[in-house]
Amino acid sequence: DAMVIQNPRYQVTQFGKPVTLSCSQTLNHNVMYWYQQKSSQAPKLLFHYYDKDFNNEADTPDNFQSRRPNTSFCFLDIRSPGLGDAAMYLCATSRETSGSYEQYFGPGTRLTVT
Amino acid sequence: GQNIDQPTEMTATEGAIVQINCTYQTSGFNGLFWYQQHAGEAPTFLSYNVLDGLEEKGRFSSFLSRSKGYSYLLLKELQMKDSASYLCAVSDSNYQLIWGAGTKLIIKP
Repeated sequence: DAMVIQNPRYQVTQFGKPVTLSCSQTLNHNVMYWYQQKSSQAPKLLFHYYDKDFNNEADTPDNFQSRRPNTSFCFLDIRSPGLGDAAMYLCATSRETSGSYEQYFGPGTRLTVT
Repeated sequence: GQNIDQPTEMTATEGAIVQINCTYQTSGFNGLFWYQQHAGEAPTFLSYNVLDGLEEKGRFSSFLSRSKGYSYLLLKELQMKDSASYLCAVSDSNYQLIWGAGTKLIIKP
C-alpha cells in the first residue's frame, strides 16, 4: 500500500544528458513537492504544485523543470545535469500547504552524474 | 535570513534518554515539525507543535517555546533502530517549510 512512489530508485546519467524522475501518489493530496538533498544537508525545496498551480523557488536553477499532468503524477526534468546535481531527489505530498498537515515522502531517487 | 540550528551529531546509549535541540529564526511561525530520516531513506513525520508546551507520543516527545524560538525532541528508552537523523522544520509565514540540516543520532549498545 505504497503512498508516494518514486521511479527509478537509482538513476545514473551522463554529464549533460537530460534525465526525468517520476513521482506518483495514491493519497489524492493537493500538494506535491520536489526536494534535492545532498549528504548531511537539509532538504532543499525546488518547486511545489498546489493542484496544477506551479510554484518555483527563487533560487531553483533553470536547468530544473517540472510537470504535473494530473493529481497523481509529477515529474522532475533535469535538462543538462552537471556533477553538482548528483543528489537524492525526494518527492513529497501533503493535503494542504497550511496548518498541521505533514508531508509524506517517497523513498527518493538517488541520482549519479558521470 | 531564515535559520534553523541543530547539533550535527549526538551519541547515546541503548535504553537511555536523549534530547535533541532545535533553535530557529524565521519570518513568521506556523508550526514546527520533527522528522526522522534513516540513512538513505526518506524522512518520516514524527511530531508537530504549534502551541507552547510538550506533546507526548509514546517514547517520543516534542517541546516548543515560541518566545525563545526553541524546540526539543526527547527520545526515551532508546533502541538501536532509533539510530537516524532527526530533522527540525519550521513552517514560516508563507507556510513554507524551512528545514534544519538534521542531527545524526548514534546509539551504542
